[in-house]
Amino acid sequence: GAGVSQSPSNKVTEKGKDVELRCDPISGHTALYWYRQSLGQGLEFLIYFQGNSAPDKSGLPSDRFSAERTGGSVSTLTIQRTQQEDSAVYLCASSRQGLEAFFGQGTRLTVV
Amino acid sequence: GDSVTQMEGPVTLSEEAFLTINCTYTATGYPSLFWYVQYPGEGLQLLLKATKADDKGSNKGFEATYRKETTSFHLEKGSVQVSDSAVYFCALSDSGYSTLTFGKGTMLLVSP
Repeated sequence: GAGVSQSPSNKVTEKGKDVELRCDPISGHTALYWYRQSLGQGLEFLIYFQGNSAPDKSGLPSDRFSAERTGGSVSTLTIQRTQQEDSAVYLCASSRQGLEAFFGQGTRLTVV
Repeated sequence: GDSVTQMEGPVTLSEEAFLTINCTYTATGYPSLFWYVQYPGEGLQLLLKATKADDKGSNKGFEATYRKETTSFHLEKGSVQVSDSAVYFCALSDSGYSTLTFGKGTMLLVSP
């Protein structure tokens, strides 16, 4: 079917507000990843879901960041009390276990 | 921890010129190595991969060889086209296609 879908494509928020970013993975893909792409930092791993296993949260930069994956499908990345340094493109990817990851086009977050 | 270093860009070439984008890595064990490409306005796409020493990955005229002795995975193309203009990311994974550690990306600009 369709590729990895992320929404919104762009989000502008005020400093201190909470934001939710959504990712719809490719149907049947058991693995889901979130990465952050920011100027000067490149692509950073945030969190990894694999099936029903506990997620690998080792890349989350602070406790303001959290993510969940409902029903093994859609995932939401939540950033609480946004800061200007959170401005970045947030990329989601999904894969069948052990196979190539397919990336969405990302959500561009701007914190003003 | 794991890290990937790639040459800073932008790399500016004329059409039909030879391309090399350098990539070196630091990792424990024997990682899998990847090149991803991000065309303007599009998501990340896997360009090529190599999973063990001396493997050569190739796709769309691009090649890269996994060199364990120099911990390198340089991307090459014999004759670039304007349509190759994009940002190229070198990446590694400690376990097959699992979570990726990316370099900061190299922008390639090809002029007619």
